Amino acid sequence: DQQVKQNSPSLSVQEGRISILNCDYTNSMFDYFLWYKKYPAEGPTFLISISSIKDKNEDGRFTVFLNKSAKHLSLHIVPSQPGDSAVYFCAARTFSAGGTSYGKLTFGQGTILTVHP
Amino acid sequence: DSGVTQTPKHLITATGQRVTLRCSPRSGDLSVYWYQQSLDQGLQFLIQYYNGEERAKGNILERFSAQQFPDLHSELNLSSLELGDSALYFCASSPTRQGGGYTFGSGTRLTVV
Repeated sequence: DQQVKQNSPSLSVQEGRISILNCDYTNSMFDYFLWYKKYPAEGPTFLISISSIKDKNEDGRFTVFLNKSAKHLSLHIVPSQPGDSAVYFCAARTFSAGGTSYGKLTFGQGTILTVHP
Repeated sequence: DSGVTQTPKHLITATGQRVTLRCSPRSGDLSVYWYQQSLDQGLQFLIQYYNGEERAKGNILERFSAQQFPDLHSELNLSSLELGDSALYFCASSPTRQGGGYTFGSGTRLTVV
């Protein structure tokens, strides 16, 4: 049961243009969403996050949008740079007060972003 | 350097063997999480420990076990290894039980031959 899905395995964009990475989820109990970036031979690094009570969060060139009714979130990178080329993972957290699911993150399969000079 | 240390970085072993992967969390972080990334797969949650206690379990095989020690480092034990266990194993840590933004280690690449 894939609760977090990234349906595009790869995305290729030109330097300076916008990159849009998409993510869909099925679990209504997710309360927090995150994007991670991963370079080869390194662990994923945290990029940006958004609480389920918000619909947008911006940090420099990176903006995450959340559409709760559609259970969809997206990461926009503007402008894209060659150094942004990496695998991007969408993740969602289930916070269960009194339960045993504290902090567990469910990840999508990742999207390989390639930014061409 | 993320502050989360995983050893070894690479491990090659034969089917049927047992290995131990080690993780030292970032200083001050009490939660440790183990994830498996197989070829073309996302990160699959295996298990979480908080201050020495198991807190959540994911798709972890019975052949796999983990523990977190009083000094907060954690070990993931994989036994009766099969070819399909070949994967990247990541450890992550976070400061609170609620998690949020994890800090990941650089992973251990396990190859079972």
